[in-house]
Amino acid sequence: RKEVEQDPGPFNVPEGATVAFNCTYSNSASQSFFWYRQDCRKEPKLLMSVYSSGNEDGRFTAQLNRASQYISLLIRDSKLSDSATYLCVVNSMEYGNKLVFGAGTILRVKS
Amino acid sequence: DVKVTQSSRYLVKRTGEKVFLECVQDMDHENMFWYRQDPGLGLRLIYFSYDVKMKEKGDIPEGYSVSREKKERFSLILESASTNQTSMYLCASSLFGEQFFGPGTRLTVL
Repeated sequence: RKEVEQDPGPFNVPEGATVAFNCTYSNSASQSFFWYRQDCRKEPKLLMSVYSSGNEDGRFTAQLNRASQYISLLIRDSKLSDSATYLCVVNSMEYGNKLVFGAGTILRVKS
Repeated sequence: DVKVTQSSRYLVKRTGEKVFLECVQDMDHENMFWYRQDPGLGLRLIYFSYDVKMKEKGDIPEGYSVSREKKERFSLILESASTNQTSMYLCASSLFGEQFFGPGTRLTVL
């Protein structure tokens, strides 16, 4: 079983739609969680950290469910520029700063 | 802004060649990482380093070695390149948590 699993998609949505991605992780001792965004042929960049209480940044909302070991990302009012691959990332407890990346979920927003 | 640079964006090498991929960061970060990224597999950690002259194996270290002689520079070495090492190679650095990535090197081994 992969340590971090995501639905690869693609998710094809119209502009203005709300879309949600889930991600599951296997290590119950994981402490830090992130969503990264990767544009085509570019490097990954941090989109947002995920906190236990949930957090919001503009149109983006991240949630953590420790009991079920999943993380979610909700994007409201999708824009064409949101088209990208979204990577779910979890820290490894083996070494404090080692991150484990999911394979990513592709989002395509169409006009 | 943190800047992580990699020596080449595209590289073509022949089987059996020794290949050096260089990565430099300008933010005095302790931690540096080398990943490869392949379709459907995501980013996989090859090696990482928490300090100068220190290195730790990641998940797929076979066929690779690394060098960290200075804090800002972390080199990935393919001792004898093989076709299954054709991939996108990404370097990253971090202080705590968030990792900052370089633009990547797309290596093709013929």
